[in-house]
Parts: sequence; C-alpha cells; structure tokens
Amino acid sequence: EPEVTQTPSHQVTQMGQEVILRCVPISNHLYFYWYRQILGQKVEFLVSFYNNEISEKSEIFDDQFSVERPDGSNFTLKIRSTKLEDSAMYFCASSLAGTQETQYFGPGTRLLVL
Amino acid sequence: KNEVEQSPQNLTAQEGEFITINCSYSVGISALHWLQQHPGGGIVSLFMLSSGKKKHGRLIATINIQEKHSSLHITASHPRDSAVYICAVTFSGSARQLTFGSGTQLTVLP
Repeated sequence: EPEVTQTPSHQVTQMGQEVILRCVPISNHLYFYWYRQILGQKVEFLVSFYNNEISEKSEIFDDQFSVERPDGSNFTLKIRSTKLEDSAMYFCASSLAGTQETQYFGPGTRLLVL
Repeated sequence: KNEVEQSPQNLTAQEGEFITINCSYSVGISALHWLQQHPGGGIVSLFMLSSGKKKHGRLIATINIQEKHSSLHITASHPRDSAVYICAVTFSGSARQLTFGSGTQLTVLP
C-alpha cells in the first residue's frame, strides 16, 4: 500500500542552524501538508501546498519557514534559523484532493534544537 | 475562536469493554477526521466523515452536524487498541487546514 515517507526520522541541530525536512508524498496525491507536534501538545497545522504554491498557512508559519517541491516527488520544509521552540515532531501529509479527502500522514521527523 | 474539544482526556478500560470517545467543535465544519496516534508518534487516519455514520471493523464513528458533536466507538476493545485517539476538523471557510483536538489516551487492560 502506498505511504508517505519522511527523512530523517530524527535530527539534532544547534540553535540558529538551518534544517531541511524531507517528505515523499503518495505519488498521485495533489495536496501536501506540514504539521508539527510539540511534546505533550496538540498537533498543529503549519502549511498546505497545491499546484506548486502555498494554499494556506498558519500563524506559526512565519518567515523562517519555507516549503518547496523541488522535483516531482519530494516535498520539503526548511527552517532557516532554528530556535529552541522549534523542537517538535514534524509530520508531512498528503491527500488526493482537498477538503473532504483523507489525509495520509508520514511517520514524522523528530527535531531537537539545542 | 475555532476550537475542538475532546473527552475524556484519559480512558482506561478492561478488554472487551465498549468504548466511547467524544468530540465537539465550536462552529460549522466541512469534514471531521478521527485519527490514531501510536506511542512511537505515527498518525493513522481512521475515518473522515461529514455526516451520518461510518463503520470499519470494530470501530464506529458518528457525527451530528446540528449538535456539532462526533463520537468514536470501539466495540469489544482489545489491548492493541491502546493509543491516542485524535479528533480533527476542517472548519468551513478554512479549505484544508485541520484543527486538532488534544487527544484521548486510551489504555485497554488485558
């Protein structure tokens, strides 16, 4: 069964460093998402992406974040200058269409900023 | 503010018991999702519904749009059902963004 994959599974970085989290969505899906979950807290929406542009973004998704689909398969989240509070699990998801379609989640990348 | 509330926060049951987890939301939605999160962190989608009822195996999800309420039921619970169950909604006017509840930690004892 097709699945969303994410790399790396864990990343440790120093405050101020740039990180890139990678995702490979399900191949025929059209919408892509990033979510994050700070330890012990709710999952939070960051951004959705469709047709090579951002469709929606939350207040969390400020100028230090960016997303890209550099080729036909990868979908990346870049954090330009990491802060301690960026430590979280980051989930990528994809769906066939938009509002009323199931979103399929990847296994997550656990990011620790020191 | 658009919010999603779940209850209970924690639930412990004996194997075989019928379990109900509740979700309520503040304003109109276009879809509601029930998700399962395992101890390792991975999230699996269980149901997406916008009206009525859906059933998959021992899991049943219902939604009452007028009352802004949904329930997830597990019949004949089993220790392998132990996980965090999360309700998430797409609010009307917010095309694809999911807003999540805080989750219900379910523990089923043998």
